[in-house]
Amino acid sequence: GNSVTQMEGPVTLSEEAFLTINCTYTATGYPSLFWYVQYPGEGLQLLLKATKADDKGSNKGFEATYRKETTSFHLEKGSVQVSDSAVYFCALKAAGSGGYNKLIFGAGTRLAVHP
Amino acid sequence: NAGVTQTPKFRILKIGQSMTLQCTQDMNHNYMYWYRQDPGMGLKLIYYSVGAGITDKGEVPNGYNVSRSTTEDFPLRLELAAPSQTSVYFCASSLLPDPTYEQYFGPGTRLTVT
Repeated sequence: GNSVTQMEGPVTLSEEAFLTINCTYTATGYPSLFWYVQYPGEGLQLLLKATKADDKGSNKGFEATYRKETTSFHLEKGSVQVSDSAVYFCALKAAGSGGYNKLIFGAGTRLAVHP
Repeated sequence: NAGVTQTPKFRILKIGQSMTLQCTQDMNHNYMYWYRQDPGMGLKLIYYSVGAGITDKGEVPNGYNVSRSTTEDFPLRLELAAPSQTSVYFCASSLLPDPTYEQYFGPGTRLTVT
């Protein structure tokens, strides 16, 4: 079946450090891939997405590239800030998964950035 | 523009009690969803709706019911609360199901059943 696996947290970094959060997936066909972010006390927000192989999604300094050969969608940021502290979710929508935009989520990775 | 709102934010229920989690969106979205998030797990879809009067089951519907009488509201009903329903519940909405249309999430309801 379809699934998403992301690295366990928490990830603790100092401000201006480089961030990588790994995400790999299992899916039939060519899924669309997403990163969502959840700030404390808030709902999930779409951070970036990629809908086909080799696409790069980017937003707010974060990037992720859809790698079909390694079935991965790793999230990266060159220089994190304290305000990036949040929980990050990798998700996929499988091709042909129905008309209701069914999303399959990873378990989430908590990021804590210290000054 | 409030987006997706959920009430209550927190609730403690005793086993066997019932309650309704409220969800309202003001974006005129056709599609609405209820998810639950258990500790250390990703979100799982409970129910969804493609428009007023139309609902269907997701991955984990047992123990829940929904209705969609208006475009704006999509309440989730727990009839006989069980400890296994302790979770954080998220409501979401989207204009259309295509991945190019973002799902917007509410802030969540943290429910504890003891």
